[in-house]
Amino acid sequence: EAGVTQFPSHSVIEKGQTVTLRCDPISGHDNLYWYRRVMGKEIKFLLHFVKESKQDESGMPNNRFLAERTGGTYSTLKVQPAELEDSGVYFCASRLAGDLYNEQFFGPGTRLTVL
Amino acid sequence: DAKTTQPPSMDCAEGRAANLPCNHSTISGNEYVYWYRQIHSQGPQYIIHGLKNNETNEMASLIITEDRKSSTLILPHATLRDTAVYYCIVRGISSGSARQLTFGSGTQLTVLP
Repeated sequence: EAGVTQFPSHSVIEKGQTVTLRCDPISGHDNLYWYRRVMGKEIKFLLHFVKESKQDESGMPNNRFLAERTGGTYSTLKVQPAELEDSGVYFCASRLAGDLYNEQFFGPGTRLTVL
Repeated sequence: DAKTTQPPSMDCAEGRAANLPCNHSTISGNEYVYWYRQIHSQGPQYIIHGLKNNETNEMASLIITEDRKSSTLILPHATLRDTAVYYCIVRGISSGSARQLTFGSGTQLTVLP
């Protein structure tokens, strides 16, 4: 069974440009999460989808970040316009529906560098 | 979710047991203890979780004290591939609990040859 996949693995862009990150969760996982680690900091939650609905987006840093999950399958996270402080590693995770103690499965992350 | 405290770093000799401690003195009755790890350049990986009983799986054992204020993750025979940052996370499972994981600083475990 394929795990959580993320694309691209690395992205280098200039300040002011737009970048879109993609996450494909494990098939059948209704719950999808985005996290990120910026330089020297801890991994922080960004938002949580249940199917196509945003369950919790309290961790989104500002309105330059837009996450979507049309159709409840893959998700995209767009940063527009990107700023230097957006550099870091963006992780996606998915989880089966039902019991909240079900584990989250993480993807390998997308390393974003904003120059 | 309750906060956790972990030592910033630990070393362990290859082949020996690695015992990683975690304090969670404010844990409440419906909160589970989870352990994840992050090997360099990979995403976090689930290891084990427990409520009050000790748990064991193919990766590790989790020992939770009777008062649930602390726990220990045990890797019985550490290998070089176990070098990673280990995160102890306390998380509620009730309908009002946060559904995301709250990562702290973790413990950097270095397994030495």
